[in-house]
Amino acid sequence: AQSVTQLDSQVPVFEEAPVELRCNYSSSVSVYLFWYVQYPNQGLQLLLKYLSGSTLVESINGFEAEFNKSQTSFHLRKPSVHISDTAEYFCAVSEPGGNEKLTFGTGTRLTIIP
Amino acid sequence: NAGVTQTPKFRVLKTGQSMTLLCAQDMNHEYMYWYRQDPGMGLRLIHYSVGEGTTAKGEVPDGYNVSRLKKQNFLLGLESAAPSQTSVYFCASTDGLASQETQYFGPGTRLLVL
Repeated sequence: AQSVTQLDSQVPVFEEAPVELRCNYSSSVSVYLFWYVQYPNQGLQLLLKYLSGSTLVESINGFEAEFNKSQTSFHLRKPSVHISDTAEYFCAVSEPGGNEKLTFGTGTRLTIIP
Repeated sequence: NAGVTQTPKFRVLKTGQSMTLLCAQDMNHEYMYWYRQDPGMGLRLIHYSVGEGTTAKGEVPDGYNVSRLKKQNFLLGLESAAPSQTSVYFCASTDGLASQETQYFGPGTRLLVL
């Protein structure tokens, strides 16, 4: 069975500083990996995903994540954060070939300090 | 195009009361999901549906029932509410190869059971 671990429940970062949100997964087969973002009082929306190919994937708002198979990780990074990045970030995993479900991590709350 | 909508947005129940949460999507998606979100636990799958007339259990199905009589609607029922069901409930939908496609989330229903 697949699982996702987000070790950091809260990450405070100063505005314009870099940030890394950690995600590790466990699965016996190949995986698809996702980062979803939840802004205050809203539903989740997709930030980026890795399906295959290049291990570095980017979002339109400056976030990127790198799939590392040997370390079973999919950490999310941004070189310079803004107040508008304040949100909760969820890593999720699914398995190719017949499993229609996503398994979510427990989330990381990113707080930007002005 | 409203995407995924949820009704109601907020509800207070007394222990033992029943209610139905409605999820509607206008994207003609085959797959629909109900999650609950609790602090420190991320999103947990309650039930899901892979098409009209079908339902399946997720990770935490006890105390809930679902129905998918129409493709665009997915109903979540609580027959006898308990305080442990106090949570934020999210509906989501997707299509195609569900394991690799984006899930589209509704805005959530906040439920308080006294």
